[in-house]
Order: sequence, then structure tokens, then C-alpha cells
Amino acid sequence: KAGVTQTPRYLIKTRGQQVTLSCSPISGHRSVSWYQQTPGQGLQFLFEYFSETQRNKGNFPGRFSGRQFSNSRSEMNVSTLELGDSALYLCASSPTGTPYNEQFFGPGTRLTVL
Amino acid sequence: QKEVEQDPGPLSVPEGAIVSLNCTYSNSAFQYFMWYRQYSRKGPELLMYTYSSGNKEDGRFTAQVDKSSKYISLFIRDSQPSDSATYLCAMSGANFGNEKLTFGTGTRLTIIP
Repeated sequence: KAGVTQTPRYLIKTRGQQVTLSCSPISGHRSVSWYQQTPGQGLQFLFEYFSETQRNKGNFPGRFSGRQFSNSRSEMNVSTLELGDSALYLCASSPTGTPYNEQFFGPGTRLTVL
Repeated sequence: QKEVEQDPGPLSVPEGAIVSLNCTYSNSAFQYFMWYRQYSRKGPELLMYTYSSGNKEDGRFTAQVDKSSKYISLFIRDSQPSDSATYLCAMSGANFGNEKLTFGTGTRLTIIP
């Protein structure tokens, strides 16, 4: 079974621009979560989508948004980029029916904001 | 103060040593405790999980949870260079998979041959 895929793997943008990141979950997984990883803050939860609905949300500003499509693929958008948005953005999918929320992570998209 | 605290290291130990990695937490609602391993340029992968208090062993790895102290540990016996990675603890409540995970910042571990 193929793992979680994320595109693109690397991205360089300038302040004020917007960016869209894409994630394809493992086949059959309906939950997709997004995380921001930085050396200082570690792995921080952005939001989770389940069956095209946002189910959980972290403490990030409204510039960060996402959506999920009927095939469970998900996109994350960041508008009006700031230097502090430079980070590794990880997508994770999760199967339903497990009591613990095991996350299967993709390799991430490395975003650099100049 | 963060809900989950983890010493970022870095931690360097010689091959064959016992490694101890730890996290403390403040949210008493946490019921599931996990350890993820992240190799360079890869996403994290689940190493072990435990429910509530107690120990769990899997090969060279042992996870311990002490809910009374809000303290969890991961022990690696006979450490190998291939164990060099960043180890992240993660926790969630018991709402049957519907709750988000809260991660520690990760401890970067290097095993020296």
C-alpha cells in the first residue's frame, strides 16, 4: 500500500505571497491532519479533516486554511506569507476504528519564505 | 507553559548503551501515549504506544507511563547507530481516535559507533 505523499517537496516563496500544499493520504484513510514543524516549536497541529469536514483545529491564524476533497486528498493554503511561516509542513493520515489516533506521516513540504 | 515538555537534546551516546528519553505533561485527560521516530528528511513514524499507566516492551524498546507523576519514558537497550534519529512523544485523550495528538518538541539522538 502506498504511503502518504506530499507535493511539492520543497518550495521557496517571498513574503506576502500565498502557497498551496497538497497531500494524498493512504488509500482508505479518511482522516487527514496537517502539522507545522520548526526547530523551536516542534510539531504543532494545524487542523484535521475527516470526510471533507474540519474536525479539529489548532491555534493558528486564519491565514492558514485547508480543505479535503471527496477522495480524501487534502490541500493546505497559507495566505500573506510571513518569514515565520518557514517550516516543514507535514501531512498525516489516519485510519478509522482505532482507539488511539495513529498518524501516518508523509515526507513533508519544506517551505522557505524569503 | 506547553502541555507536553521534552528535552530537545541533542543526546549522544556510544553504541551499545542504554538510552532514556523522557517527556512530562500537564493535561490529566491524556490517556494514550506514543513515541514517534523521525529520521532526517522523513516524516515521523509510530514506534510504540501505551494506554494509561504501565510498561510496554517491544524488542529493544520499552515504553513506561507514570500517570501519577505525568511522566513518560522510552528506553532503548543495546543502542545501534541506526537508532540515530529524533524521537517525539505524543499524547491524546480517550475519545476513540477523534482527538488530536499533542507532540513534544522531540529529542535528537545520535548513537556513536
